[in-house]
Amino acid sequence: DTGVSQDPRHKITKRGQNVTFRCDPISEHNRLYWYRQTLGQGPEFLTYFQNEAQLEKSRLLSDRFSAERPKGSFSTLEIQRTEQGDSAMYLCASSTHWLSSYNEQFFGPGTRLTVL
Amino acid sequence: SQQGEEDPQALSIQEGENATMNCSYKTSINNLQWYRQNSGRGLVHLILIRSNEREKHSGRLRVTLDTSKKSSSLLITASRAADTASYFCATGTASKLTFGTGTRLQVTL
Repeated sequence: DTGVSQDPRHKITKRGQNVTFRCDPISEHNRLYWYRQTLGQGPEFLTYFQNEAQLEKSRLLSDRFSAERPKGSFSTLEIQRTEQGDSAMYLCASSTHWLSSYNEQFFGPGTRLTVL
Repeated sequence: SQQGEEDPQALSIQEGENATMNCSYKTSINNLQWYRQNSGRGLVHLILIRSNEREKHSGRLRVTLDTSKKSSSLLITASRAADTASYFCATGTASKLTFGTGTRLQVTL
């Protein structure tokens, strides 16, 4: 499978716990994005990496959220001290600079987080 | 924040009928894209239209773009049950996509 993969697909946690999600982009893609989607809404941008550099972060990304892409390949998104409002689908996407003019993004299946 | 609104929010049609959904956006764009999302899953890119294009076709999909009205429409012809999904328009820069609120399409047999 050469698509974007995410792990885990589902995560249930108690309020106050930390969680970490992983995203593996399409191998030749140098751009990686994280989005959050709540029920009945479109995805909302969280952050963007080009290679290992985090170039943009949304105001949605509070100080409890941190994302890394240490070697410019896979990425992790960590949420510390989870709150019930963090319950959402977390989507990862990747793209290549060859498409930079048009920014077609390829999405993974998402990680559904439920905070009890 | 969401880029704009999709209209209608929900649409139910019978197999074989055409489905039209509309998208409005707020800012100037380089391109506009449409994505499909099956229930609880990731998004799949359908079609991209550039700001200097007015209409584009891909299989059973037809997209129009009116930059003067900041609006786009997606037409799915001869719908199938497998077209049941949520459809989102998105405008983008190199660093991110900004999505609309989506249209939920239900195609019944």
